[in-house]
Amino acid sequence: DAKTTQPPSMDCAEGRAANLPCNHSTISGNEYVYWYRQIHSQGPQYIIHGLKNNETNEMASLIITEDRKSSTLILPHATLRDTAVYYCIVRANYGGSQGNLIFGKGTKLSVKP
Amino acid sequence: DVKVTQSSRYLVKRTGEKVFLECVQDMDHENMFWYRQDPGLGLRLIYFSYDVKMKEKGDIPEGYSVSREKKERFSLILESASTNQTSMYLCASSPIIQGQSYGYTFGSGTRLTVV
Repeated sequence: DAKTTQPPSMDCAEGRAANLPCNHSTISGNEYVYWYRQIHSQGPQYIIHGLKNNETNEMASLIITEDRKSSTLILPHATLRDTAVYYCIVRANYGGSQGNLIFGKGTKLSVKP
Repeated sequence: DVKVTQSSRYLVKRTGEKVFLECVQDMDHENMFWYRQDPGLGLRLIYFSYDVKMKEKGDIPEGYSVSREKKERFSLILESASTNQTSMYLCASSPIIQGQSYGYTFGSGTRLTVV
């Protein structure tokens, strides 16, 4: 699996958009970009994933650059409950061990009032 | 909604005890996983299974074993608990659709303390 690089921490004002960057310069053509978050003392929660095109769901938007070497997770109106560690993971959607998620250190997002 | 249920939220066991951590998922997912999470080390994969009675070692299997007798249940066993196995244990499941593995759903975790 390709490795990812994320800033260790970020702050965001409540109500503003939170833009979380991720670099994945060695991503392969068949690897997806996944985002998860982990709120303190809970299990990680799936947010969104994409391959090439930008994606949006009820939680967030995912913007992937044309060369696929980086992406940005956007929380359009951050709330205090969005304070969490956000993980960017790239992997191919294979079955078996090739499809395992490998978690890095993530970005600790602090949403402040 | 997919639910992954871990039997205990908090557990305290003595050194040398045999410990069973149970995980059940209700959406017929093929893949199931056990991770542990420690401060500064992140989530590390212990074991995984992509079918009944199938198991594969993850990155840190030493001191652990697993059992998957039924598709919905994946048990993690600490054969002889030690203090360095004090950790948060997280179970996850994911489906395989047309040969491809998709996003994981995690349980709430079991915080195990070995004294």
